[in-house]
Amino acid sequence: AQTVTQSQPEMSVQEAETVTLSCTYDTSENNYYLFWYKQPPSRQMILVIRQEAYKQQNATENRFSVNFQKAAKSFSLKISDSQLGDTAMYFCAFPGSGGSNYKLTFGKGTLLTVNP
Amino acid sequence: NAGVMQNPRHLVRRRGQEARLRCSPMKGHSHVYWYRQLPEEGLKFMVYLQKENIIDESGMPKERFSAEFPKEGPSILRIQQVVRGDSAAYFCASSPRTGEETQYFGPGTRLLVL
Repeated sequence: AQTVTQSQPEMSVQEAETVTLSCTYDTSENNYYLFWYKQPPSRQMILVIRQEAYKQQNATENRFSVNFQKAAKSFSLKISDSQLGDTAMYFCAFPGSGGSNYKLTFGKGTLLTVNP
Repeated sequence: NAGVMQNPRHLVRRRGQEARLRCSPMKGHSHVYWYRQLPEEGLKFMVYLQKENIIDESGMPKERFSAEFPKEGPSILRIQQVVRGDSAAYFCASSPRTGEETQYFGPGTRLLVL
């Protein structure tokens, strides 16, 4: 079974600073995708960034970037220049294996609070 | 291009009533997924549908829960004879194809069973 572990239930950061959220996973697959979603107080699930395992280059979307370490099965999210609007629950997600790769498994989430 | 639409956003039901949750996927998306989020937890997969077909319902409780995605109209998640333990947020996601394609989520329906 796929497992996704987010070891930081809560984190806080000062506005304009940088914060890194960690995620580890377990899989026997070689080619796969990884996702970070955020869930702000509105509770909507919003895609932040995705990484393709076969790509060496870490994905970047504006202030959001990942540190993908395939051998270590680690997929951390770095948020630079944190803004108050980044306050949210952040979930790491990983597809199922084999023919059920549509079945996303989510970590328990990290609650990030950005302080003014 | 409108995103994934879900309605209602909030639904209150008394124990024993039926709950119907609707999901309209993004334009051009023919794959729909339903997830449930219990309080303080991540999302859990329930069911995967394509038009007129249930592909995988392995995450859905065997009793009282059903889902459909008809040829015309939205996907429906139906919960019969609701119990308090069904109180949760139900999210629908869609993708143009299965597999590696990113799933885009709707705003969710918060179901409260009194």
